[in-house]
Amino acid sequence: QKEVEQDPGPLSVPEGAIVSLNCTYSNSAFQYFMWYRQYSRKGPELLMYTYSSGNKEDGRFTAQVDKSSKYISLFIRDSQPSDSATYLCAMSGGPGNQFYFGTGTSLTVIP
Amino acid sequence: GAGVSQSPSNKVTEKGKDVELRCDPISGHTALYWYRQSLGQGLEFLIYFQGNSAPDKSGLPSDRFSAERTGGSVSTLTIQRTQQEDSAVYLCASTDPGVLSYEQYFGPGTRLTVT
Repeated sequence: QKEVEQDPGPLSVPEGAIVSLNCTYSNSAFQYFMWYRQYSRKGPELLMYTYSSGNKEDGRFTAQVDKSSKYISLFIRDSQPSDSATYLCAMSGGPGNQFYFGTGTSLTVIP
Repeated sequence: GAGVSQSPSNKVTEKGKDVELRCDPISGHTALYWYRQSLGQGLEFLIYFQGNSAPDKSGLPSDRFSAERTGGSVSTLTIQRTQQEDSAVYLCASTDPGVLSYEQYFGPGTRLTVT
């Protein structure tokens, strides 16, 4: 079983839609949960970060962590064509620990 | 300021040749990570450096892969006797040693093609 599971998609939505991206994990030691966005032929860039359980909102983006279910989500409201990218979840046990990434979900927002 | 840089951006090599991939992390970042990204496989962890030492080499797929870091800065990933299955994008990331050490800053990657 992989440490982190993520549906690779692809996911295609109309502009303005709400997008839900999800990951599940198996290691209960994970404390740091991150979402990265990767545009084509670029390196990933950090989008959202959450420590332990809870919600975090930043503009149109909301990250949720449910440690009891080992399930994390990223919601994108009012999606825009510029949101078209691959979204990777990542998690870690803490500073100095290895980061574990999902396979990434490819998202296309159609104008 | 300058971000993480990697060179070359693209490398095509023949099976059996050795290749060296270079990573220049952000100045002052003590932690450095190498990953491999293949289609549909996500980011595969290869090796982690803290300063010049590598406390975690668990991700290196075989003894053909090695990496070093000098002066707490530049790192080189070497693949000997390349195989076609080594074709992938090799990404390097560095992190700030402070409280935001969870945030990895990635370079643009080196796209390796083994023919």
